Amino acid sequence: EADIYQTPRYLVIGTGKKITLECSQTMGHDKMYWYQQDPGMELHLIHYSYGVNSTEKGDLSSESTVSRIRTEHFPLTLESARPSHTSQYLCASSESGGGFYGYTFGSGTRLTVV
Amino acid sequence: EDQVTQSPEALRLQEGESSSLNCSYTVSGLRGLFWYRQDPGKGPEFLFTLYSAGEEKEKERLKATLTKKESFLHITAPKPEDSATYLCAVQAIGTASKLTFGTGTRLQVTL
Repeated sequence: EADIYQTPRYLVIGTGKKITLECSQTMGHDKMYWYQQDPGMELHLIHYSYGVNSTEKGDLSSESTVSRIRTEHFPLTLESARPSHTSQYLCASSESGGGFYGYTFGSGTRLTVV
Repeated sequence: EDQVTQSPEALRLQEGESSSLNCSYTVSGLRGLFWYRQDPGKGPEFLFTLYSAGEEKEKERLKATLTKKESFLHITAPKPEDSATYLCAVQAIGTASKLTFGTGTRLQVTL
C-alpha cells in the first residue's frame, strides 16, 4: 500500500498550458524531493524541501516551481508547458533525524506535452 | 562530482541462472549506498542500504555487497518476477539526504 501518492499518473497536455503535479505523503516525513527521469536515463534531482516553507533547486535546472505549505504536500508547477518538459516526474520523501534509510517513492507522473 | 556507473546496461538470464550486477561509484565521502528496484511505469522500490566496506545485506534471492569502490547485487536462482530495472544510488557525506543515481541495469529473467 503506497504511503506517497502522485496524481495524475498520466497527463497529456498542450503547449503553453499551466500544470500542477500533486504529491502527498502520509508518513510525516520532513524531507521531500522531485526527480525527473527520462527513459534509460538516471534520475535527476530538480527540487527538494527539508520542511514547511523550505524549498531548494536541485542539480538539474528546471523551469518548474514547487511549494511546501504543509508537511504532507509538495506540488510541482509548470507555468507554461513545453514539449521539452515531456518526461516522468517522481516524488519521494525521507525521514529526518539521525538516520537516513533512503527514499520512499511515489508511482510517478508521466507527462507528455504536445 | 559524485558519479555512479552501473553495468551491464541490460542483462538477460534464464530462470535459475545466477549472476551479479555491478555499481561503481566515485564520491568524496560515502555516507551510504542504496539499491532500488524499479518496475515499468512505477517508482523505485527500496531494497538495501550499505554503509561501509565489507557490509552485506540479503533479501530473498538478492544479496548486496560493498567495497570502497563498488557494490555488487548478486541474484541467486532468479525467477521471472525478478525482472525489473535495478538502480544504484550513493549519498555523499555533507550532502544532507540527496542521492546520486546510476542509469540502472535492466534485468530480464526468462523461463
